[in-house]
Amino acid sequence: GAVVSQHPSWVICKSGTSVKIECRSLDFQATTMFWYRQFPKQSLMLMATSNEGSKATYEQGVEKDKFLINHASLTLSTLTVTSAHPEDSSFYICSARDSLNGRTPHEQFFGPGTRLTVL
Amino acid sequence: AQSVAQPEDQVNVAEGNPLTVKCTYSVSGNPYLFWYVQYPNRGLQFLLKYITGDNLVKGSYGFEAEFNKSQTSFHLKKPSALVSDSALYFCAVRAWLSGGYNKLIFGAGTRLAVHP
Repeated sequence: GAVVSQHPSWVICKSGTSVKIECRSLDFQATTMFWYRQFPKQSLMLMATSNEGSKATYEQGVEKDKFLINHASLTLSTLTVTSAHPEDSSFYICSARDSLNGRTPHEQFFGPGTRLTVL
Repeated sequence: AQSVAQPEDQVNVAEGNPLTVKCTYSVSGNPYLFWYVQYPNRGLQFLLKYITGDNLVKGSYGFEAEFNKSQTSFHLKKPSALVSDSALYFCAVRAWLSGGYNKLIFGAGTRLAVHP
């Protein structure tokens, strides 16, 4: 149980285009999902916290107009990188908490990541 | 400031030997501590957590960690390392912020290399 999927697993796009990454909790409901960014050989940096049915909370320094987050259902959150540039190339990882399962409180379950390369 | 420190960029150990990956933390209130492992081009896999109770926590794949409140540490250990344990390990603490908001803060990561 507690599986988080991401799609696509990798994407290559041209500079100036927009890319959408999907994050799904497959076997649980997630009121809260998180989007992280990881540069090579570095730690995960939280970009934003996504709450179902409300606006995402962005971390300081993260442009909300560039990284659009939508959490339309309890099992799906999307991150759209708008007008992508080469410096947006990174590994994007989503994570989710099981809203209802009291057996796994405080845990976050992570997706496999999406590698974005902007040419 | 609430933070997590992993003082070693890399830990090298011979297969069959015990391993330790160090983690210290600074957090307001009671710490909720986690260890995750990451294999190349993959997301994070949960290993174990400390929320409350016994200071020695046992997790997946034979790993364990000991919570030491006086030293604010949560070192990851395994009695006998395997080559397949080679990966990137992250320590994390749940930080409680104003308004009931909380988030995971990750350490910089420690690369574990187990040699045959």
